Amino acid sequence: NAGVTQTPKFRVLKTGQSMTLLCAQDMNHEYMYWYRQDPGMGLRLIHYSVGEGTTAKGEVPDGYNVSRLKKQNFLLGLESAAPSQTSVYFCASSLRLAGGHEQFFGPGTRLTVL
Amino acid sequence: AQSVTQLDSQVPVFEEAPVELRCNYSSSVSVYLFWYVQYPNQGLQLLLKYLSGSTLVKGINGFEAEFNKSQTSFHLRKPSVHISDTAEYFCAVRMDSSYKLIFGSGTRLLVRP
Repeated sequence: NAGVTQTPKFRVLKTGQSMTLLCAQDMNHEYMYWYRQDPGMGLRLIHYSVGEGTTAKGEVPDGYNVSRLKKQNFLLGLESAAPSQTSVYFCASSLRLAGGHEQFFGPGTRLTVL
Repeated sequence: AQSVTQLDSQVPVFEEAPVELRCNYSSSVSVYLFWYVQYPNQGLQLLLKYLSGSTLVKGINGFEAEFNKSQTSFHLRKPSVHISDTAEYFCAVRMDSSYKLIFGSGTRLLVRP
């Protein structure tokens, strides 16, 4: 039982390049999330998904796109990377969307945009 | 807007000493409260959570937290810390019936021998 996994762990991009971050979970969770973590700012929600084929915007969605073609996978895309997108990206999943249900986090992807 | 404040960005403490990490939130409705720990180069792991009932919540690794509704606080405590407790600690709040999990900016606990 791997929980939540993320690929890749590290990536360096040049401004304007594109890339896709992959998140996979094996807990059969309906809900998945993408966050970015910046120093002194905690975690901020980029996009989330309430089920296969559905996605919604979070707090900071600009410059990112997501897709949830399979229940276990949640992809985060950067079409044209900018230095402001240098950050650590975390994927999470949960059994329920609201209430006291915890979110389970992946190990993170450290992205640097030059 | 709802917010979570962790006033201390870094807390240095000697091994076996007690520690308290502070968390305050702003909300006028019922909330669910969480503390997560992030060890170096790892993802976040749940330490404990408050849903309802007893205001003193016990978590993993000897940590506990107390919910104080009147002061809108959820401070994390441990009576005796170990070197292995060195990590970043995040307080998070979810308002009742909301999907948003709002995180504080984090407190880095540095345990020295």
